[in-house]
Amino acid sequence: DAGVTQSPTHLIKTRGQQVTLRCSPKSGHDTVSWYQQALGQGPQFIFQYYEEEERQRGNFPDRFSGHQFPNYSSELNVNALLLGDSALYLCASNLRANTEAFFGQGTRLTVV
Amino acid sequence: AQTVTQSQPEMSVQEAETVTLSCTYDTSESDYYLFWYKQPPSRQMILVIRQEAYKQQNATENRFSVNFQKAAKSFSLKISDSQLGDAAMYFCAYVPTYGGSQGNLIFGKGTKLSVKP
Repeated sequence: DAGVTQSPTHLIKTRGQQVTLRCSPKSGHDTVSWYQQALGQGPQFIFQYYEEEERQRGNFPDRFSGHQFPNYSSELNVNALLLGDSALYLCASNLRANTEAFFGQGTRLTVV
Repeated sequence: AQTVTQSQPEMSVQEAETVTLSCTYDTSESDYYLFWYKQPPSRQMILVIRQEAYKQQNATENRFSVNFQKAAKSFSLKISDSQLGDAAMYFCAYVPTYGGSQGNLIFGKGTKLSVKP
């Protein structure tokens, strides 16, 4: 049983560019959440998708957007990249609310 | 606003000894979950232990146990018989039961645990 998988594992982008990160949830899970983890910090909640809709959102600008597909996989898009967007982006999945969230290994984004 | 505070940026323990990691939180909710996650260098967050706020009994998972003090809003993690594989970043996290989801967690800044052989 594959757990939560994220791609790519690393990438480097230039300021002003756009990036798309991908997440496949654990088998049987229908809810996907995205987090940003800056160096030396705890993860910060970006948003959560359930039934292909954004259900909850943290304090992140509109440059951060997402999508969930019918197979429950998800994408995180960031437009107009800033140096401060450099971070580890974590995806977590669970089955609806209040069941254990399983995390992927993250995508390390570096903006230069 | 709900916050989680971990006041120990780094901790060190000798192999086979016991160590306690501290966590305090602030919330006006009465029903919530608290968690300890482990993040090794592989970067993947791994759930160590979970506590439901309505349960007075402290959660335990093998060598890991918590001291949950609801009135004091304190949630410490005790690791007994520490092993080299316990070395990692440890994060305390919170989520309200209602209006929240275990995928929508509020994390502290973490404690880096080193284990000395």
